Amino acid sequence: QSALTQPPSAPGSPGQSVTISCIGTSNDVGAYNYVSWYQQHPGKAPKLIIYEVNKRPSGVPDRFSGSKSGNTASLTVSGLQAEDEADYYCIAYVGSSIWVFGTGTKVTVL
Amino acid sequence: QVQLVQSGAEEKKPGAPVKVSCKASGYTGHNMHWVRQAPGQGLEWMGMINNSGGSTSHAQNFQGRVTMTRDASTTTFYMEMTNLRFDDAAVYFCAADAWGPFSWGQGTLVTVSA
Repeated sequence: QSALTQPPSAPGSPGQSVTISCIGTSNDVGAYNYVSWYQQHPGKAPKLIIYEVNKRPSGVPDRFSGSKSGNTASLTVSGLQAEDEADYYCIAYVGSSIWVFGTGTKVTVL
Repeated sequence: QVQLVQSGAEEKKPGAPVKVSCKASGYTGHNMHWVRQAPGQGLEWMGMINNSGGSTSHAQNFQGRVTMTRDASTTTFYMEMTNLRFDDAAVYFCAADAWGPFSWGQGTLVTVSA
């Protein structure tokens, strides 16, 4: 089970949008609609921001949105704010109760 | 809603085992993931335990060295890793499952030093 591929960094200016890709295969991202995204600030536990590709838990701003096309899932953060500066991770279901994380992306607000 | 409280930091020697606990409260019917994060590194999925039957699944890297269990009477989940190596030093998280980890414990720091 190889880690899903994410870009190491995604810079953006306040108010702009950034999109983070999560590239997998036909055995994980492409096979199931079970892709989640997490935001992690330094020293903190990850926080769920998107589940089942494009669903937002209650309390998560609608600036965060998810999508999937083929073997690639994407997270878009619109209207970038200073507090969005964090690490972001995707996770995908591989089948047989196995999951795999992405490599992680650091979002920097310029 | 589920809340997860993990056991405190551990300092172990190479070759020793470590056992981390994760106490669930609120709704306690979820399966449980275990995830680790080495210093400055990304999240690594370790495995998952089914809450009702206790069956487990593991990432290949942890097959044979990690045992996940649960005590239904106390709604506490455990992750035991044997034969610790220096590169097992990390923060270990439990996370309740709802078709993916959704609610996380605070993390348990495991240090490995001679």
